[in-house]
Amino acid sequence: QVQLVESGGGLVKPGGSLRLSCAASAFTFSDYYMSWIRQAPGKGLEWVSYISTGGDTIYYADSVKGRFTISRDSANNLLYLQMDSLRADDTAVYYCARGSRQSQVAFDIWGQGTMVTVSS
Amino acid sequence: SSELTQDPAVSVALGQTVRITCHGDSLSNYYAGWYQQKPGQAPVLVIYGKNKRPSGIPDRFSGSSSGNTASLTITGAQAEDEADYYCNSRGSSGHHVFGTGTKVTVL
Repeated sequence: QVQLVESGGGLVKPGGSLRLSCAASAFTFSDYYMSWIRQAPGKGLEWVSYISTGGDTIYYADSVKGRFTISRDSANNLLYLQMDSLRADDTAVYYCARGSRQSQVAFDIWGQGTMVTVSS
Repeated sequence: SSELTQDPAVSVALGQTVRITCHGDSLSNYYAGWYQQKPGQAPVLVIYGKNKRPSGIPDRFSGSSSGNTASLTITGAQAEDEADYYCNSRGSSGHHVFGTGTKVTVL
């Protein structure tokens, strides 16, 4: 079935780096825009980054701009989030999500999430 | 501003109707997406576009929009509808934005 599976989360010290991956299956990955969305413990959803189908249009939330880099490997159905200069307030569950082809706004498929903890 | 604001919490009696609202400037340009999130689970899209439901979403969920306000209505709320609900839209420069979230309690 259509699925997104994140990996790469873990415990990292402030100032450290981590790379998250999201493996897509059972759909034509290159046809969909993708995003990373995070949720701090006990908090709401926060959109982090967007990448277009071809990877030529990229957006970042102000809170991560200059520190995080989104990319995609459509040949292998993979989405990435390179996170550098991590801070305690980056601690969250990180979800990858597929953009709906019927909406410029909605995300119709979500992964199960991967936890990132930034702590010394 | 690209912020989306929601009431923090609402309650509804079993079988009754509840409406959740989402306010933001960007909603005058885009139809909101609505998501249901239960504890420990990933969000699930329940409404998108002009009142469209993904496959598998019960027809008791419906959406509407007027000006800068989007609404999600649950008609005949069930116990399994108790969850957090989030709206989303696109703000300035193509960025996406999520609402502050509403906790729905079914009494």
